[in-house]
Amino acid sequence: DIQMTQSPASLSASLGETVTIECRASEDIYSNLAWYQQKPGNSPQLLIYDANSLADGVPSRFSGSGSGTQYSLKINSLQSEDVASYFCQQYNNYPWTFGGGTKLELK
Amino acid sequence: QVQLKESGPGLVQPSRTLSLTCTVSGFSLTSYGVSWVRQPPGKGLEWIAAIWSGGSTDYNSALKSRLSISRDTSKSQVLLKMNSLQTEDTAMYFCARCLGEGYVMDAWGQGASVTVSS
Repeated sequence: DIQMTQSPASLSASLGETVTIECRASEDIYSNLAWYQQKPGNSPQLLIYDANSLADGVPSRFSGSGSGTQYSLKINSLQSEDVASYFCQQYNNYPWTFGGGTKLELK
Repeated sequence: QVQLKESGPGLVQPSRTLSLTCTVSGFSLTSYGVSWVRQPPGKGLEWIAAIWSGGSTDYNSALKSRLSISRDTSKSQVLLKMNSLQTEDTAMYFCARCLGEGYVMDAWGQGASVTVSS
């Protein structure tokens, strides 16, 4: 199975700040990577797919980048509604696997 | 409007079989795949299985011996069965639409809580 290592596990940032979350795959996943946002008590919502494509309806302050085994999610100008957990997921190989998650809080 | 809704028993006794239903609307099961994903309380996400638009299936190898995924296209439902349940199977179970076979999950249901306990 492909292991997805996400960092940091938790993050505290101020409103308006830029935040970056990293995800490392145990082998090349050829940009077959998605990022999801999950708010407390809710289901995950797709933010980014194919490593850098913005899902429908997602604000442009979210962006994804990376290739090979290293990927990142960037949130520009942090808003209060961005407080959530974020997960990366590879869909290059079965079983699909997720990173452990990053919990983003406001400072 | 794309919608998915999970339903299930809530509480299952250890060693018994779990049956979950995902009822979809706003799209056809013959055009999109559906996956199941679970999340134990306070923990991360685990992909379980998927059924694709053509009816083929894929399973998480760690769970495959206990799983069965099927669908009833006339009812717009995807069914997941998991046998030999243990306490570690306690989780929120989500179904999600897949944009294509082997492709990203773009819409999720609200989840069905399953507790394994005697």
